[in-house]
Amino acid sequence: DQQVKQNSPSLSVQEGRISILNCDYTNSMFDYFLWYKKYPAEGPTFLISISSIKDKNEDGRFTVFLNKSAKHLSLHIVPSQPGDSAVYFCAASGQAGTALIFGKGTTLSVSS
Amino acid sequence: NAGVTQTPKFRILKIGQSMTLQCTQDMNHNYMYWYRQDPGMGLKLIYYSVGAGITDKGEVPNGYNVSRSTTEDFPLRLELAAPSQTSVYFCASRAQETQYFGPGTRLLVL
Repeated sequence: DQQVKQNSPSLSVQEGRISILNCDYTNSMFDYFLWYKKYPAEGPTFLISISSIKDKNEDGRFTVFLNKSAKHLSLHIVPSQPGDSAVYFCAASGQAGTALIFGKGTTLSVSS
Repeated sequence: NAGVTQTPKFRILKIGQSMTLQCTQDMNHNYMYWYRQDPGMGLKLIYYSVGAGITDKGEVPNGYNVSRSTTEDFPLRLELAAPSQTSVYFCASRAQETQYFGPGTRLLVL
């Protein structure tokens, strides 16, 4: 039973446009959410995170939105660049010290 | 800082063989984790450690063992390799709420 779901396996966007990656979760005890980016043959790289006490966090071209009532978060990338092409994983954690629960990932392709 | 390093990068094992996947971090983090990632899937937790001398099972611990004798090192041991253990293995360490991952070890069991 998946606690973190990324329902879109892939997303294709043109360079300069907005990329929106979505993530849903089922466990209301999650209080911290992260997005990781992964290139082939590399480990996941931390991108951006958000605490459950916030509804938005921004870092340059990347913004994460959290809707706790809907148990939904999204990652916006504006403007998208070809170098953003990678697999994006949504992850969640509950109590401090527990491991991250990952979604299956969304493959983003940005074409020039 | 090198961050989290893992060796080897790739290994082929025969069924029944054993091996140790090495993981080292130089950030003095107390928390360390081992995950595996199967094709098309997210990462699943195998074992974790909250500090030297303390380890605990994750979601998929069967067939694996770990030890944590120092803060820096967190090796993962496969005793009797099985084809189901073919996967990519990632080690991570944690600072506050963020985990930092190594480059991974790709393991093929034939």
